[in-house]
Amino acid sequence: KQEVTQIPAALSVPEGENLVLNCSFTDSAIYNLQWFRQDPGKGLTSLLLIQSSQREQTSGRLNASLDKSSGRSTLYIAASQPGDSATYLCAVRGGNEKLTFGTGTRLTIIP
Amino acid sequence: EAGVVQSPRYKIIEKKQPVAFWCNPISGHNTLYWYLQNLGQGPELLIRYENEEAVDDSQLPKDRFSAERLKGVDSTLKIQPAELGDSAVYLCASSLRGDGTNEKLFFGSGTQLSVL
Repeated sequence: KQEVTQIPAALSVPEGENLVLNCSFTDSAIYNLQWFRQDPGKGLTSLLLIQSSQREQTSGRLNASLDKSSGRSTLYIAASQPGDSATYLCAVRGGNEKLTFGTGTRLTIIP
Repeated sequence: EAGVVQSPRYKIIEKKQPVAFWCNPISGHNTLYWYLQNLGQGPELLIRYENEEAVDDSQLPKDRFSAERLKGVDSTLKIQPAELGDSAVYLCASSLRGDGTNEKLFFGSGTQLSVL
């Protein structure tokens, strides 16, 4: 059974700093990995999707990497802004086509 | 373009009462998901529809939960009777699913259920 872990559960950083969020998964037989953002009381918004054959994806200040063999992904946020404050979840689509989510990292950017 | 629409936004009921949630996916999206999200946890799949067919309902507690997607568009999720442990956020998502390798899910804002 696929297990997805995100550490730390919460992170606070000053505005302007670069930061990295971590995601690990136990079964490397995956189709893709997605990073989502969730604001309080809202649904999830897809940020980046990395296919299993890819190493990274970039969108604006966000860069996601994937190391399938080690079961790890990182989400890099450059020049953080208060508007980046949210919970970030990673999700892995496995060979059984199920999307397994991590528990998320709650990010707070301090102005 | 309208996103995934869910209603109601909040629902408070007493235990043993029935409750229903409604989801309208993005127009043209053939795949629809219902997820359950407990506080501080990631979403967990309840059921996935491809058009009007439920292709994965293995994690749906069928003794009390039911779902339908008539005509392959809107969907409803029902709980009868509700239990205290059902208190959670129920999320609906839709996608234009091809082979799944590049599938992006679009989520609604969810229905927050409180069972008293």
